[in-house]
Amino acid sequence: SQTIHQWPATLVQPVGSPLSLECTVEGTSNPNLYWYRQAAGRGLQLLFYSVGIGQISSEVPQNLSASRPQDRQFILSSKKLLLSDSGFYLCAWTLIGGTDTQYFGPGTRLTVL
Amino acid sequence: GEDVEQSLFLSVREGDSSVINCTYTDSSSTYLYWYKQEPGAGLQLLTYIFSNMDMKQDQRLTVLLNKKDKHLSLRIADTQTGDSAIYFCAESIGNTDKLIFGTGTRLQVFP
Repeated sequence: SQTIHQWPATLVQPVGSPLSLECTVEGTSNPNLYWYRQAAGRGLQLLFYSVGIGQISSEVPQNLSASRPQDRQFILSSKKLLLSDSGFYLCAWTLIGGTDTQYFGPGTRLTVL
Repeated sequence: GEDVEQSLFLSVREGDSSVINCTYTDSSSTYLYWYKQEPGAGLQLLTYIFSNMDMKQDQRLTVLLNKKDKHLSLRIADTQTGDSAIYFCAESIGNTDKLIFGTGTRLQVFP
């Protein structure tokens, strides 16, 4: 069966510091991968999605970047964090050609101080 | 552009039915989804419905789809305290690999 992992689970970082959040999927090949941010009391905002290794689409201009160095690995990064980057970051995957259902990881709670 | 709207809060008594409503805009959506998010956790898929269906039932959950009005609802029968969570509806965007999520409805179940 497929599983999706995210780490770390929680992170507290100072403003201006770098960021690297990791997401890995097991039990499937060539998934689409997604990064979302959920700000407090708000819905999900799609940040990036990837349909293959090295292929990244950015949905909104921002202080973040994403990379997909391996088929089942998706990384969210920043060179210098802003206070507004605080939130709950969720990674998701879906099978190409299926029902478009997205399956979510447990999330990373990022607090920028 | 695409938009999915939900009311923000719903409060029900334990044992009653809950109905969470959602409106969407993309008439080409193939699938519509309901997800549940418990505090501090990721989203869990509850159910989905194909756009050519009117209704789907799965145990205590009933999904109704009105394509003409672009209205989706989730009914939870015999609501329990463990059902307290945020519920998101989402629609697939035609010819893309993306979903658009609503803002979520926070369901609170009290004894």
